[in-house]
Amino acid sequence: DAKTTQPTSMDCAEGRAANLPCNHSTISGNEYVYWYRQIHSQGPQYIIHGLKNNETNEMASLIITEDRKSSTLILPHATLRDTAVYYCIVRVEGAQKLVFGQGTRLTINP
Amino acid sequence: DSGVTQTPKHLITATGQRVTLRCSPRSGDLSVYWYQQSLDQGLQFLIQYYNGEERAKGNILERFSAQQFPDLHSELNLSSLELGDSALYFCASSPHYTDTEAFFGQGTRLTVV
Repeated sequence: DAKTTQPTSMDCAEGRAANLPCNHSTISGNEYVYWYRQIHSQGPQYIIHGLKNNETNEMASLIITEDRKSSTLILPHATLRDTAVYYCIVRVEGAQKLVFGQGTRLTINP
Repeated sequence: DSGVTQTPKHLITATGQRVTLRCSPRSGDLSVYWYQQSLDQGLQFLIQYYNGEERAKGNILERFSAQQFPDLHSELNLSSLELGDSALYFCASSPHYTDTEAFFGQGTRLTVV
């Protein structure tokens, strides 16, 4: 699985959009970008995933650059409950395991 | 609530002992995954079972073993416990052999003293 690089921590004001970057410059053509988050020692929670097109669901949007070497997770209107560690994971479709890095600790401030 | 149930939530035991962690996957899910999260190692994949059979193995110690029963619940057995085994142990499940997303339980916090 390709390696990912994320900032260690980020802050965002409540109500604003939170944009979390992820670099995955060695990503292969058959590898997807996944995002999970973990709220203080709870189990990780799936957010979204994509291959090359931008994706949106009820939780977030995922923007993948054209060369697929980086992506951004967007939480459009961050709330205090979005404070968590966010993990960007690159994974071959069909791979059994998720390889978690250190993630980005996102703090939403009132 | 992810639908994945793990018991117990907390466990305190002494070094050298053996414990069993239990996981009930979401209804209908055939795959169960076990992960360990310690302060210094982060979230690490241990092992996966699919419909009763072992499918993938990660950084699981020989002192650890797991199984998945016919009713699809799974147990993770940890033996000869050491202080360094203190961690959060998460179980996740997904419907099939490989899936785009996995649903995690709330974890079992194991403290070895």
